[in-house]
Amino acid sequence: AIQLTQSPSSLSASVGDRVIITCRASQGLTYTLAWYQQKPGKVPKLLISDAYTVASGVPSRFSGSGSGTDFTLTISSLQPEDFATYYCQQFHTYPLTFGGGTEVEI
Amino acid sequence: QVQLQESGPGLVKPSETLSLTCIVSGDSVGSGTSYWTWIRQPPGKGLEWIGQFYYGGNIQYNPSFKSRVIISVDTSKNQFSLKLTSMTASDTAVYYCARDKRGGTFFDYWGQGTLVTVSS
Repeated sequence: AIQLTQSPSSLSASVGDRVIITCRASQGLTYTLAWYQQKPGKVPKLLISDAYTVASGVPSRFSGSGSGTDFTLTISSLQPEDFATYYCQQFHTYPLTFGGGTEVEI
Repeated sequence: QVQLQESGPGLVKPSETLSLTCIVSGDSVGSGTSYWTWIRQPPGKGLEWIGQFYYGGNIQYNPSFKSRVIISVDTSKNQFSLKLTSMTASDTAVYYCARDKRGGTFFDYWGQGTLVTVSS
């Protein structure tokens, strides 16, 4: 199975900060990567598909980039509602797999 | 608006079989276009894909579950189900059903999740 390694596993940031989360795959994915946001006790929410396509209704401060084995999720200006855990997920090959998550804390 | 809702027991004894159902509205499990998926999340941990199917096609399972898992569909009730046998404490998790619109890709709609605890 393809392994996804997210870094950092957690970070502390302030409102207004630019936050970058990385996801590294154990083999090349082309652009077959998605990002999700999960708040405590809530359901994961799709943010980004196909490495850089922002999902409907997602604020423009979220963006994705990368291809192959290295991907990033960027939050351009962190808002209070963005404190959550973020997961990457690959859909290049079955079994579909997720990264271990990055917790963004105040 | 697509909605999914899981139902099933909150408590399962070790070695028993878990049976969960996901009722879908706003889309059809029998359409043969959307893929219907089970995902789980142990408390405080990350997400794990269990398997998915589309009506009329193959079912894909995560090999880590070996032969313990079965996903089935009931188009008359617009729902699909998960059976996981030989449950152990490590299967304690929130179980989600989700839709994958494109197939073998990402998940755009999720159920609220149901916590299943394995304990005697």
